[in-house]
Amino acid sequence: DSGVTQTPKHLITATGQRVTLRCSPRSGDLSVYWYQQSLDQGLQFLIQYYNGEERAKGNILERFSAQQFPDLHSELNLSSLELGDSALYFCASSAGTGYTDTQYFGPGTRLTVL
Amino acid sequence: AQKVTQAQTEISVVEKEDVTLDCVYETRDTTYYLFWYKQPPSGELVFLIRRNSFDEQNEISGRYSWNFQKSTSSFNFTITASQVVDSAVYFCALSGLNNNDMRFGAGTRLTVKP
Repeated sequence: DSGVTQTPKHLITATGQRVTLRCSPRSGDLSVYWYQQSLDQGLQFLIQYYNGEERAKGNILERFSAQQFPDLHSELNLSSLELGDSALYFCASSAGTGYTDTQYFGPGTRLTVL
Repeated sequence: AQKVTQAQTEISVVEKEDVTLDCVYETRDTTYYLFWYKQPPSGELVFLIRRNSFDEQNEISGRYSWNFQKSTSSFNFTITASQVVDSAVYFCALSGLNNNDMRFGAGTRLTVKP
């Protein structure tokens, strides 16, 4: 158990809908990262927050947004969902901000868009 | 640009065999970190090891060992006396000073048969 929690574990929704994925980092970690894992794209970095502020952005679509709250939990919002958004979404956390940190991953949320 | 290549898509071995998973990376950074993660069938990503670019010493942890060779830009992972529980997808990843995200390889699916 990494100490990172994600809810829900599974999510099934329809095209055009909006969903929110939630992540709680390990105790003491200030950075939260979001990744998307799909069969065709592999593991793709989406976005990083550090202590409430956006720190880095990867291949995140404009339909997707995230935030980190004062209690350090984070939410990833996916809107106008398409079939291609079906994937496993991981949250990871680390103590610091940067490339030297080990990222510890949560169990993931499996999103299915029908 | 950063890139991680895991040329072996799938490997199948019989229990107790030794197996080496290859990882080759590309980076322009002089300071960088390399990681290995394990993704068992249950889906979570489990951190195995972190190695910085200045430490080329090989590492052994039980049946696991890692060989880092800067000269060939490789960070290979060997499992000695493999067990069925080692069956998983293994990811090599790279993070560097001048990049915003951790880059993952495509993963190697290891199947250990009894």
